Amino acid sequence: TQLLEQSPQFLSIQEGENLTVYCNSSSVFSSLQWYRQEPGEGPVLLVTVVTGGEVKKLKRLTFQFGDARKDSSLHITAAQPGDTGLYLCAGGRFEAGTALIFGKGTTLSVSS
Amino acid sequence: GAVVSQHPSWVICKSGTSVKIECRSLDFQATTMFWYRQFPKQSLMLMATSNEGSKATYEQGVEKDKFLINHASLTLSTLTVTSAHPEDSSFYICSARFSGPAEQYFGPGTRLTVT
Repeated sequence: TQLLEQSPQFLSIQEGENLTVYCNSSSVFSSLQWYRQEPGEGPVLLVTVVTGGEVKKLKRLTFQFGDARKDSSLHITAAQPGDTGLYLCAGGRFEAGTALIFGKGTTLSVSS
Repeated sequence: GAVVSQHPSWVICKSGTSVKIECRSLDFQATTMFWYRQFPKQSLMLMATSNEGSKATYEQGVEKDKFLINHASLTLSTLTVTSAHPEDSSFYICSARFSGPAEQYFGPGTRLTVT
């Protein structure tokens, strides 16, 4: 069974701080997606990484896919209250038409 | 692009009744749609995978006769919660993907409350 271990589960920080969320697995994924979800809404896709070692930046967010495509990280620089939400990593399996494997999520709270 | 809608956004029903939730891909044809259930502050729990024109594949522990899924076209899937009970109250989210990339695009979710 493929599993994605996401950490930390909860994170409460002050505005302006930096943070990193990790997703780790013993399995290789075809791709890795990061989503952000706000209460009462569906997850919104932030980024997809597909190549080992790939780094993508989205404003203050930096996403990295591990060289072996087993792990990924999300780094937020100078967090803002608007970054508050549930962050989910999800791994793509090689079998066509199959659902993503989701981590348990990281609930981020940024206070001003 | 890649917009998925869900209807209704919230519904309250009485115990014993059935509720249908619609999931539509608005600007692309979805080869596969997925239905998830989510409890507060938790991750998504996959209920079933639905391919257009074929029977849905249910995850272990999900009752197929209780959660009826129909994927009649490449843009529409429905989830019907039959004989709903209070323990079925939850946030139900659908997602859709087209062939090729693994990304799934999520609907806004449906809050079901069974009284």
